[in-house]
Amino acid sequence: EAQVTQNPRYLITVTGKKLTVTCSQNMNHEYMSWYRQDPGLGLRQIYYSMNVEVTDKGDVPEGYKVSRKEKRNFPLILESPSPNQTSLYFCASNRIGGNTEAFFGQGTRLTVV
Amino acid sequence: AQSVSQHNHHVILSEAASLELGCNYSYGGTVNLFWYVQYPGQHLQLLLKYFSGDPLVKGIKGFEAEFIKSKFSFNLRKPSVQWSDTAEYFCAVLSGNTGKLIFGQGTTLQVKP
Repeated sequence: EAQVTQNPRYLITVTGKKLTVTCSQNMNHEYMSWYRQDPGLGLRQIYYSMNVEVTDKGDVPEGYKVSRKEKRNFPLILESPSPNQTSLYFCASNRIGGNTEAFFGQGTRLTVV
Repeated sequence: AQSVSQHNHHVILSEAASLELGCNYSYGGTVNLFWYVQYPGQHLQLLLKYFSGDPLVKGIKGFEAEFIKSKFSFNLRKPSVQWSDTAEYFCAVLSGNTGKLIFGQGTTLQVKP
């Protein structure tokens, strides 16, 4: 089954404690991305990757890091989380080119206290 | 810059009323168009998609959307809403060339029984 798997689904952490949210896809997609969803702001792209070892900033990259060492995995790293990073996060993957659609993970609800 | 604009931020309807949610995008290249729905506390779910061909596309749960190229619009419609349609709706555009998916701000639909 084609899917994007995100973990954890829920996370409560304290300010400054490093955390990683994992994302894995099994569709051999080139493009992977992270979004955060906030009320009234929709989904905004944090970082994206067009292939292995190729990553770039999205619209709201401050305070986040990513890596793409393998095609299937695209973890989101918060080195020093702050309360303004409390949000709902989605990972997505899709092909590049032609008729393509994005597949989404189940979401990670992060609370930073 | 590429952007997606949803006209209505919050819509309240009674059951059996007709629904139309507006969506306009700005992008000059090849685009793939989507509507997603997010029920309370859940992840994104694809309602419908448009790649090419017939500009009137039908999706799940009785939803349809019309692509009007000259107006850069992709409006979502449903002839008769139900209480269970209460959710947040997102219009999105995916660039075929870059793979980037851009979302509108979202529309919260509240259907009163």
